[in-house]
Amino acid sequence: KAGVTQTPRYLIKTRGQQVTLSCSPISGHRSVSWYQQTPGQGLQFLFEYFSETQRNKGNFPGRFSGRQFSNSRSEMNVSTLELGDSALYLCASRTGYGTNEKLFFGSGTQLSVL
Amino acid sequence: KQEVTQIPAALSVPEGENLVLNCSFTDSAIYNLQWFRQDPGKGLTSLLLIQSSQREQTSGRLNASLDKSSGRSTLYIAASQPGDSATYLCAVRPRDYGGSQGNLIFGKGTKLSVKP
Repeated sequence: KAGVTQTPRYLIKTRGQQVTLSCSPISGHRSVSWYQQTPGQGLQFLFEYFSETQRNKGNFPGRFSGRQFSNSRSEMNVSTLELGDSALYLCASRTGYGTNEKLFFGSGTQLSVL
Repeated sequence: KQEVTQIPAALSVPEGENLVLNCSFTDSAIYNLQWFRQDPGKGLTSLLLIQSSQREQTSGRLNASLDKSSGRSTLYIAASQPGDSATYLCAVRPRDYGGSQGNLIFGKGTKLSVKP
């Protein structure tokens, strides 16, 4: 069974541009969540999608958005990039809730904003 | 507001030593607590998940404990090996006011180095 796949692996952009990151969850998983990881702030929750609906959203500006397709693949978009958006963006797919929860992370997309 | 703290931020030990990593959280209203491992530039791998009603979980050389009342968890690694070198993160899944699940809140991790 393939794991969580994130593309691209590395990305270099300049300030003001926009970027789209992609995440394919493990087959059969309907929940996808996104996290931003930086050395200073650590891992911070961005948003979670379940069956194409956003279930939760973290405390990030509206420049960060996402969506989920009917095949559970998810994309996140960052518009008007800022230097501070440089980070490792991780996506996770989840199966089960509560007592039988299992979370699987992709290897991430390393975004550098110049 | 839930906060998760991990001490120490970094730890270096010789191979074969037993070690303990610490995690504390400020709000005991949680569904579960998880320990993850992260290798440089990679994603996270789930190691152990402890439900709020449980006291500990074991997997191989790893043992995680949870004391919800004091807001503490420990990850015990027995007979450490160089391959255990990585950053270890703990995360809590809060129980929201309405009783539904919140999203994972992570500590900043402990970077472990095991010297041969």
